[in-house]
Amino acid sequence: DIQMTQSPSSVSVSVGDRVTLTCRASQGISNWLAWYQKKPGKAPKLLIYAASSLQSGVPSRFSGSGSGTDFTLTISSLQPEDFASYFCQQVNSFPLTFGGGTKVEIK
Amino acid sequence: QVQLVESGGGVVQPGRSLRLSCAASGFTFSNYAMHWVRQAPGKGLEWVALILSDGSKKYYADSVKGRFTISRDNSKNTLYLQMNSLGAEDTAVHYCARGASSGYFYSDYWGQGTLVTVSS
Repeated sequence: DIQMTQSPSSVSVSVGDRVTLTCRASQGISNWLAWYQKKPGKAPKLLIYAASSLQSGVPSRFSGSGSGTDFTLTISSLQPEDFASYFCQQVNSFPLTFGGGTKVEIK
Repeated sequence: QVQLVESGGGVVQPGRSLRLSCAASGFTFSNYAMHWVRQAPGKGLEWVALILSDGSKKYYADSVKGRFTISRDNSKNTLYLQMNSLGAEDTAVHYCARGASSGYFYSDYWGQGTLVTVSS
């Protein structure tokens, strides 16, 4: 199975900051990667698919990059509604696997 | 609009079974693959299972293989998850999610989840 490792596990930031989250795959997955946002008590939300494609309706301050084993999710200017946990998921092969998540907290 | 509504969660004793349902509306259910994903209390997301649009293929996480069965009834626009031999490790909010138009392995719409608690 492909293991996904996210770093950091949590980060404290301020509104307006630029934030970069990292996800690493245990083997190459080309660009078969998604990013999801998860808030407590809410359903997950697809932000990015195919490593860098923005899901419809997602603000353009979110962007994804990477290929192979190393990927990043960048929020260009953090908004109050962006405080949440973020999970990467590889969809290169079954079983599909998520990273452990990064919690973005208010500084 | 796309709606997914899970039901069937609750408290169940270890070793017992439970069946979850997910009622879909607002899209042509029979055209889409469907997923189950769960989140244990205080933990991350865990993908559980996927079924293709016509039910021809099913895929499972290692942690549930042999115990859980995903199925669907396209005439009823409903997805199911039959969970057998439940253990404490299965305590989680279980979400159903639609396979995305951009690729069915992604999940673009999600339900609000149903909580399964395995406890004696």
